[in-house]
Amino acid sequence: AQSVTQPDIHITVSEGASLELRCNYSYGATPYLFWYVQSPGQGLQLLLKYFSGDTLVQGIKGFEAEFKRSQSSFNLRKPSVHWSDAAEYFCAVARTDSWGKLQFGAGTQVVVTP
Amino acid sequence: SAVISQKPSRDICQRGTSLTIQCQVDSQVTMMFWYRQQPGQSLTLIATANQGSEATYESGFVIDKFPISRPNLTFSTLTVSNMSPEDSSIYLCSVEGGTSGNTIYFGEGSWLTVV
Repeated sequence: AQSVTQPDIHITVSEGASLELRCNYSYGATPYLFWYVQSPGQGLQLLLKYFSGDTLVQGIKGFEAEFKRSQSSFNLRKPSVHWSDAAEYFCAVARTDSWGKLQFGAGTQVVVTP
Repeated sequence: SAVISQKPSRDICQRGTSLTIQCQVDSQVTMMFWYRQQPGQSLTLIATANQGSEATYESGFVIDKFPISRPNLTFSTLTVSNMSPEDSSIYLCSVEGGTSGNTIYFGEGSWLTVV
C-alpha cells in the first residue's frame, strides 16, 4: 500500500528566509504527487502537482517541488517566505486503484516569525 | 478549474442527531470523493461517490454511519448519522478536474462540532 511521510510536524521560519518541507512516499510505480496548503479556517488549496516529465515543478505562490525517484522524495521549497505562508502543508500521493483517491501525509505546520 | 461549494460551512450539532452535507460542483464530474479531517489530523478518505451507483466505502467507514447520495454529475451529499463527539471533524468534498482531468480540487470543507 502507498504511504506518505512528512517527517516534520512543525517548522518555524523567519519571514524572508527559505523554507523546505520534506515528503517521502512509498509507491511501486511512478507516483502522482501533490502538495496542498490549508490556511487556518480554510479548505485545501493545490500548490503544485507532479505526474511525469520535468522533475522540478513550479507551483503557485512562489513554491516549487523536486521529485527525486532515487530518494522517494517530493520536497517543497520556497526561497523567501511571507507571513501569509503560515499554514498547514500536506503532501499527498494518488492511490493505485484510482488516481483521484489521495493518500495524505500527516501534514507540516509552518509558523512564520517576524 | 472546478469550483466546489459545500453547505453547511459550519455547524454545531447535538449528540445523536444526523446532519447532511451538500457538495455542488460547477461542472460535470464522474467521481466525487468525501474526506474527513479530525481535529489536528490529516485527511482520510471516507468514500467515493459515482453517479448512478452506490458509493464505495473505505475500510473503517460504513454506509449506515455515512450514507451518500449522488443524484447527478454535479451534486453529492454526505450524511453523518447518529453523531457523537468523535464525529467532530471537517468534512471535505473533492473532485477530479482541470483541463487534462489531472487535478484534484477540494471544497472549503464543512466544519462540524458535536456537543
